[in-house]
Amino acid sequence: NAGVTQTPKFQVLKTGQSMTLQCAQDMNHEYMSWYRQDPGMGLRLIHYSVGAGITDQGEVPNGYNVSRSTTEDFPLRLLSAAPSQTSVYFCASRRQGEHGYTFGSGTRLTVV
Amino acid sequence: DAKTTQPNSMESNEEEPVHLPCNHSTISGTDYIHWYRQLPSQGPEYVIHGLTSNVNNRMASLAIAEDRKSSTLILHRATLRDAAVYYCILRAIQGAQKLVFGQGTRLTINP
Repeated sequence: NAGVTQTPKFQVLKTGQSMTLQCAQDMNHEYMSWYRQDPGMGLRLIHYSVGAGITDQGEVPNGYNVSRSTTEDFPLRLLSAAPSQTSVYFCASRRQGEHGYTFGSGTRLTVV
Repeated sequence: DAKTTQPNSMESNEEEPVHLPCNHSTISGTDYIHWYRQLPSQGPEYVIHGLTSNVNNRMASLAIAEDRKSSTLILHRATLRDAAVYYCILRAIQGAQKLVFGQGTRLTINP
């Protein structure tokens, strides 16, 4: 198992550009989530999904879109990047009935 | 969401036990206590969870107070690889997909 794979690991965007952060898991986990972590802070939930075709907003969803067309993939789209979206983004997944989430290694995004 | 309170930082020596405290005085009866840790430049890693009874796994032990208003994560013999930020998180039993991360405790291990 590769676990949770996030790509790219690093990205620099200009203000106003759009991009998609990729997240894939090969553990057949039903639940997937996206978090952002700003310097010196804990993680905050952006969006989550409880299964293919089902997504919902987390704590800080503005400026981000998600979709879940397959169990394995949960991409995060930035529609028009802003400097305030400079952060480290983590994807996580969990199997229904279990407690622990598996996190990816993160995407470090800088918006200039 | 019920709130947790942890010390900002702790320091210990290699091969000694470490007790990381967490206060959660507003915990509800349906909240599980979870611990995650985040090593430098990595994503968080699940450590352990519990509801009422003390729990042990290969990574750590979790001691839960009888009134559930506090808990302690115990690393029995700390190694340099245990240096990380440790997060104590409450998560409701039913339907909660959100992990609410506080500031955590930054654990430093001295060789």
